[in-house]
Formats: sequence, C-alpha cells, structure tokens
Amino acid sequence: DAKTTQPNSMESNEEEPVHLPCNHSTISGTDYIHWYRQLPSQGPEYVIHGLTSNVNNRMASLAIAEDRKSSTLILHRATLRDAAVYYCILRAGLGGNEKLTFGTGTRLTIIP
Amino acid sequence: DSGVTQTPKHLITATGQRVTLRCSPRSGDLSVYWYQQSLDQGLQFLIQYYNGEERAKGNILERFSAQQFPDLHSELNLSSLELGDSALYFCASSVAPGGEGGELFFGEGSRLTVL
Repeated sequence: DAKTTQPNSMESNEEEPVHLPCNHSTISGTDYIHWYRQLPSQGPEYVIHGLTSNVNNRMASLAIAEDRKSSTLILHRATLRDAAVYYCILRAGLGGNEKLTFGTGTRLTIIP
Repeated sequence: DSGVTQTPKHLITATGQRVTLRCSPRSGDLSVYWYQQSLDQGLQFLIQYYNGEERAKGNILERFSAQQFPDLHSELNLSSLELGDSALYFCASSVAPGGEGGELFFGEGSRLTVL
C-alpha cells in the first residue's frame, strides 16, 4: 500500500483556519486521496476526497499539489467540535487495491 | 447517524468463546468493510466485501471470519477469543468498492471485551 505521512499532533486556535499536511510521495496515478476524522468515542467520519484537482465541500477544502505527492486539508474556521484525529489515506480506484488503510493520523487540538 | 447499524454495541465474554458481530449497511450500499481498533494498534483493516463477494483482505486472523449475505448485511465471527481481541470493531459501507466511489460510512462500533 502507498503510505502517507502526517504530523502526530497539531494545535490551533478556535475560529482560526487549520492546515493539516499529508505527504504521499509514492502515490500512484489511480490513487484517490481521502481524508477522514475520528471524534472521541465515535467511528471515523468522511471529510473529503480528491484525485487531482482541489476540492471543496461544506466541511473542508482539499488542496492537492501539482505532482500529487502531498496534500493539505484545510478547515476554514476551526471550532471546538473539530478536535479529532484526522487521517489522510490513499485508496486505489476500481480494479486496484481498494482497501482503505488508516495510518496513525494527526491529533488536532483546538484551543478556545 | 451514518445509516450503518452495528449490533451489539457492547459485548463481554470469556477467553475461548465465540461471538458474532452484525452489520447492516446503508440502504443501497453494496460494499461492506470491517475494521478493528485497539488502543495500541489503531484502526486495522480486516476485510471487505462487495455484493456478497470478498473483495480485499487485511490482517485478519484465521480465528476470524466474515461473510456478506444476499440482503447485504454482514457478520464478523470471532472464535477462540483471546484477551488481545478486546477492541472496538467498526463496520463501514460504501456504494462502490473503489476509491472513486467516495466516502465510507462507519457505524458506531461494537465494543468487545474479553475477560
């Protein structure tokens, strides 16, 4: 499986933007970049995913480097409810290795 | 509410016993995934099914088995339980099996305690 590298932890102030980085230098052309988060005592929750272009949804934005070897999850205005472990995952498209393998993720702490 | 239902929510049993965890995917989702999360191992992928067929396998022990039934619900069977099997077991579902299929929806998990 192509691996991702994320910082173990990050802190951010409430109502500030948060940029969560992810390196995936061995990404293949058919790998999708997925982000999930896990709040305490809950199952993982989908945040966003993309292939090549930057993506926006109601939760966050995903900025993908031109060479696709890194990406950044952007939370535009962090709230206390965004405190969670954030996972950056590569997942092959149909016909490839489709399993979703979680790494250790980044534990995001929001400071009031 | 993700739409994925897992039962039971909590289960306490003894070493050597066998348990079955059940998962009902979201309506319309054909793919089901099982994950194990323990304190020291993080989220470990166990197995994936798509429309009744095994699609991908992770580090699933031989003592564990799973299947997806024609109505698309799935069961994870854990046998000869050991203390180290104590963990949260998550089920997830998605429409399609691959990365282009978008998001996985996770259930709330089944917490297994082996004494």
